[in-house]
Amino acid sequence: AQRVTQPEKLLSVFKGAPVELKCNYSYSGSPELFWYVQYSRQRLQLLLRHISRESIKGFTADLNKGETSFHLKKPFAQEEDSAMYYCALNRVKAAGNKLTFGGGTRVLVKP
Amino acid sequence: DADVTQTPRNRITKTGKRIMLECSQTKGHDRMYWYRQDPGLGLRLIYYSFDVKDINKGEISDGYSVSRQAQAKFSLSLESAIPNQTALYFCATSAPDRGQTYEQYFGPGTRLTVT
Repeated sequence: AQRVTQPEKLLSVFKGAPVELKCNYSYSGSPELFWYVQYSRQRLQLLLRHISRESIKGFTADLNKGETSFHLKKPFAQEEDSAMYYCALNRVKAAGNKLTFGGGTRVLVKP
Repeated sequence: DADVTQTPRNRITKTGKRIMLECSQTKGHDRMYWYRQDPGLGLRLIYYSFDVKDINKGEISDGYSVSRQAQAKFSLSLESAIPNQTALYFCATSAPDRGQTYEQYFGPGTRLTVT
């Protein structure tokens, strides 16, 4: 069975500092990885997906199949990055779009 | 604006009561999902439906049932609520996969407390 682990429940950084949210997965097949974000009083929304290989709001994430990781990084955190972040895995070629979520990491960016 | 809505937004109920949470969407998506969110556990899939006639159990379906009344409506029922079903419940929708996985769009959530 697939599993997604986010080892940090809380990350607290100062504005302008780098931030890295760790995500490790276990899945024997070919996965699709996503980061979803939930800002205060807003809905959960997609931040980025690995197949797009793009930077969103300054965040990037690289899929490392050797280490089975999909860490989310931003070189200079901003206060508006404070939110709950979830890493999620979709099993490619499995039956449909069913996401497995990690436990989430709360990011607090201090001024 | 196309959206995913959930009713009620908050509900307090007693052990043993039957309760229904409703989800409606105007996105025109075929696929709908119900998740529950618990602190430290992330979101876990309860049920999902790829069209009106296709309903499937997720990883934690025990104690829950669903009904897909129309393409736009997907309801979650707790037949006999128990305290450990206290959680935040999310509905989500997505377009069908066509060579890539489309993002899921989430509703605002329903906070359910079972006393």
